[in-house]
Amino acid sequence: GAVVSQHPSWVICKSGTSVKIECRSLDFQATTMFWYRQFPKQSLMLMATSNEGSKATYEQGVEKDKFLINHASLTLSTLTVTSAHPEDSSFYICSAHLLAGGYEQYFGPGTRLTVT
Amino acid sequence: GQQLNQSPQSMFIQEGEDVSMNCTSSSIFNTWLWYKQDPGEGPVLLIALYKAGELTSNGRLTAQFGITRKDSFLNISASIPSDVGIYFCAGYDAGNNRKLIWGLGTSLAVNP
Repeated sequence: GAVVSQHPSWVICKSGTSVKIECRSLDFQATTMFWYRQFPKQSLMLMATSNEGSKATYEQGVEKDKFLINHASLTLSTLTVTSAHPEDSSFYICSAHLLAGGYEQYFGPGTRLTVT
Repeated sequence: GQQLNQSPQSMFIQEGEDVSMNCTSSSIFNTWLWYKQDPGEGPVLLIALYKAGELTSNGRLTAQFGITRKDSFLNISASIPSDVGIYFCAGYDAGNNRKLIWGLGTSLAVNP
């Protein structure tokens, strides 16, 4: 149980284009999902908290107009990187909050974004 | 932002050896989570701890929630090559259960 999927697993795009990443909870409902960014050999950095049916909460320093988050249902959150630049190249990982029994976060497999 | 102190940063061990790593925080935590991350993958939850003093096992893995609520350790017994990866501790500060706080990770290499 508690399986989270992400799509795509990797994507290459050109500067100036937008990229959408999907995060789905496959066998449970998630009122809250989280989007992280991870640079090589570093820990995970929380970008934003995605709440179903309401606006996402962004961490300090994360541009909400650049990283658009939509949590339209209890099993799907999307992250859209708008007007991508090479410095947006990174590993993006989502997680879903499992409230039953505690506050564990279950992670998707990640999406490798390369902006050329 | 707030971060956990995780040590050691890296370990190189022989197959069959036991491994121990730990995390400390400057404030009281009410939840400790241990994750393993393989290259190019998302973190996988290994063990979750919710009570001070709690000792929980998952196969060859054992983790404990420190009595002071400011630390936790993870032990791996009889290591095998597939234990290779980066282990992260994470937790929720008792004053803020909205944001998961992360350690910097322990990179484990196992020599067969």
